[in-house]
Amino acid sequence: DQQVKQNSPSLSVQEGRISILNCDYTNSMFDYFLWYKKYPAEGPTFLISISSIKDKNEDGRFTVFLNKSAKHLSLHIVPSQPGDSAVYFCAASWVGWGKFQFGAGTQVVVTP
Amino acid sequence: EAQVTQNPRYLITVTGKKLTVTCSQNMNHEYMSWYRQDPGLGLRQIYYSMNVEVTDKGDVPEGYKVSRKEKRNFPLILESPSPNQTSLYFCASKRGSMNTEAFFGQGTRLTVV
Repeated sequence: DQQVKQNSPSLSVQEGRISILNCDYTNSMFDYFLWYKKYPAEGPTFLISISSIKDKNEDGRFTVFLNKSAKHLSLHIVPSQPGDSAVYFCAASWVGWGKFQFGAGTQVVVTP
Repeated sequence: EAQVTQNPRYLITVTGKKLTVTCSQNMNHEYMSWYRQDPGLGLRQIYYSMNVEVTDKGDVPEGYKVSRKEKRNFPLILESPSPNQTSLYFCASKRGSMNTEAFFGQGTRLTVV
């Protein structure tokens, strides 16, 4: 039973435009959400996170939005750059649980 | 440099031949875990450890064993590997049970023939 879902396996965007990645979750106990970025032949690297007490967190070109009532979060990348081409994973957890649940990932391709 | 180190990076083995994938972290993290990545399924947790001598099953523990005798090391053991364990494996660590990010190793590509 997948508790974290990324329904778009791929996304193609032009350089300079906005990339929007979506993630849905089913478990209302989740109170911490993260986005990871993964290049081929490398491990996932942490990108940005958000706690359930917030609805937005921003770090440079990356912004994560959380809509708790809809159990939905999104990652906005503005502007998109060729180096952003990677697989992006959404993950969720709650304090003390000790586990992360990951989505299936979205492959982002930024074209010139 | 803070890091999680996995070895080997690539491994081809035969069905039934026991193997161990090592994982070590130098950040004094309490929490360590193992994931496997398969196409269309994302990262699925195999086992995790909240501290030394404390381990628990993740979502896909069948066919795997782990041990946590020291804080820095968390080896993954496949007693009798089978072809369905062919996958990309990642070790991760983080501070305790707090809401904080996990750091991942570079991955181990395992092929069981």
